[in-house]
Amino acid sequence: KNQVEQSPQSLIILEGKNCTLQCNYTVSPFSNLRWYKQDTGRGPVSLTIMTFSENTKSNGRYTATLDADTKQSSLHITASQLSDSASYICVVSRGDYKLSFGAGTTVTVRA
Amino acid sequence: DTAVSQTPKYLVTQMGNDKSIKCEQNLGHDTMYWYKQDSKKFLKIMFSYNNKELIINETVPNRFSPKSPDKAHLNLHINSLELGDSAVYFCASSLGTYTGELFFGEGSRLTVL
Repeated sequence: KNQVEQSPQSLIILEGKNCTLQCNYTVSPFSNLRWYKQDTGRGPVSLTIMTFSENTKSNGRYTATLDADTKQSSLHITASQLSDSASYICVVSRGDYKLSFGAGTTVTVRA
Repeated sequence: DTAVSQTPKYLVTQMGNDKSIKCEQNLGHDTMYWYKQDSKKFLKIMFSYNNKELIINETVPNRFSPKSPDKAHLNLHINSLELGDSAVYFCASSLGTYTGELFFGEGSRLTVL
């Protein structure tokens, strides 16, 4: 079964601190993995895309990693800001019409 | 200039009523989608259209009927609304059919009383 598991379900961090979100998947075959950020009351927005050959990709203070052998990805947020408070969703593509979504990690950044 | 726009943003209605949600994208994408996000924030695909043709139709009650008059529009009509239909419905589009980045609308929150 093609599944995407994200952890933790939620976390609270202080402004300026770093945090790491995890995404484990059993999707096969693998085409790409995207991290989306969903602000409260808004639609998800893509942060990064990782293909099979990529290990690390950065988008500002967001850095995604991928280990295709262990089928794990992480999203690291550096020097968190209040605007980072959102849900982060991991989405894995098989290359066909099926996308597998994780349930998301809710991040709350406190001043 | 909004890329994917859906209306209305909020819908409050009684059980048994019929309602529609409209979606338009100005990105020139070929593929459009409807997703349902439940209270646990989990996004679930409902339908996908590619160039006005239905390509994904997940296990959704036939009370839900999508309609794509052209590739820039994908509307969702829901008949005989039930309490369990309460959710946020997201329209999305992508350039590629299956591996492209999804561009989401702002969502339409449906509350069935």
